[in-house]
Amino acid sequence: DSGVTQTPKHLITATGQRVTLRCSPRSGDLSVYWYQQSLDQGLQFLIQYYNGEERAKGNILERFSAQQFPDLHSELNLSSLELGDSALYFCASSARTGLGNTIYFGEGSWLTVV
Amino acid sequence: SQQGEEDPQALSIQEGENATMNCSYKTSINNLQWYRQNSGRGLVHLILIRSNEREKHSGRLRVTLDTSKKSSSLLITASRAADTASYFCATGWNTGNQFYFGTGTSLTVIP
Repeated sequence: DSGVTQTPKHLITATGQRVTLRCSPRSGDLSVYWYQQSLDQGLQFLIQYYNGEERAKGNILERFSAQQFPDLHSELNLSSLELGDSALYFCASSARTGLGNTIYFGEGSWLTVV
Repeated sequence: SQQGEEDPQALSIQEGENATMNCSYKTSINNLQWYRQNSGRGLVHLILIRSNEREKHSGRLRVTLDTSKKSSSLLITASRAADTASYFCATGWNTGNQFYFGTGTSLTVIP
């Protein structure tokens, strides 16, 4: 158990809908990352937050947004969903940003768009 | 792309044999990490090697790093069926702590 908690574990929704994925980082971790894993794209870095502020953006679509709250949990919002958004979405956390930090992954949220 | 690329994409060995997988990357890095992912599960951190290190050991794992060739290798000795998983390298570089993952090596250890 990495200590990173993600909900829901599985989600099925229709195209055009909006969903919110939730992540609770490990106790004390300030940095949260979101990754998308799909068969054709591999593991893609989406976005990173550190202590409530956006730190870095990767391949995140404009239809997607995220935030980190004062209690350090994070949410990833996916809107106007398309079939191609079906993927496993991971949240990860680390103690701080900077170099040499191990990041710990949650078990992921399986999103299926039908 | 800053992503690492693992090689081979798939590897099948007998239990007890050693498994070697390689990772190549494109930019200068500060550290490189290896992760394991069992099918449909989260990634588990295995080992981190810093750019000023050449080799690191952890149990049956040995990682090497050659920054001049921008490559790393992960050796799993005396493999077990439980080692069956996908293995990813992740590169951490200068402008923050975003880690970019390669496409992974799928390892199958046959009992």
